[in-house]
Amino acid sequence: EPEVTQTPSHQVTQMGQEVILRCVPISNHLYFYWYRQILGQKVEFLVSFYNNEISEKSEIFDDQFSVERPDGSNFTLKIRSTKLEDSAMYFCASSEGTSSTLHFGNGTRLTVT
Amino acid sequence: GIQVEQSPPDLILQEGANSTLRCNFSDSVNNLQWFHQNPWGQLINLFYIPSGTKQNGRLSATTVATERYSLLYISSSQTTDSGVYFCAVEVSTLGRLYFGRGTQLTVWP
Repeated sequence: EPEVTQTPSHQVTQMGQEVILRCVPISNHLYFYWYRQILGQKVEFLVSFYNNEISEKSEIFDDQFSVERPDGSNFTLKIRSTKLEDSAMYFCASSEGTSSTLHFGNGTRLTVT
Repeated sequence: GIQVEQSPPDLILQEGANSTLRCNFSDSVNNLQWFHQNPWGQLINLFYIPSGTKQNGRLSATTVATERYSLLYISSSQTTDSGVYFCAVEVSTLGRLYFGRGTQLTVWP
């Protein structure tokens, strides 16, 4: 069964450094998302992406965050200058359309020290 | 924004027992999905169920959209059912899901 893949599974970085989290969505899906989950808390929406542009973003997704689809398969989340509070599990997800089943990757655990 | 409330927050069961998890939401929704987060952190989609009833093996779900709630039934629970069960709703047509805080299920052998 096709799946969403994310790399790396775990990333440790120092405060102030830039990180790029990578995702390969399911190939025939058109909508891509990033969510995050701070340890022990609920899953929170960051951003949705369709037709090579952001379709919606949350209040969490400030100027330190950006997303890109650099080629036909990858979807990336960049955090420009990481803060301690960015430590979380970051999930990439994709779907065929809106109001469709959402498929999540296994996540990247980001630790900012 | 929309409120998504799940109950109970924690549930401890003996293997073989049945359980019902509830999700209440504060506004009309286009879409409701149930997810299982296993002990390794993976989020697995269980049901896409904006209304009606669906069954998949030992799991079934019912959403009554007019009354703004959904129920997830787990029958004959197994230790592998342990983890956190999340309900998530979509209110717009842009795909964003709002998650509840989840129900932590622990099944003992």
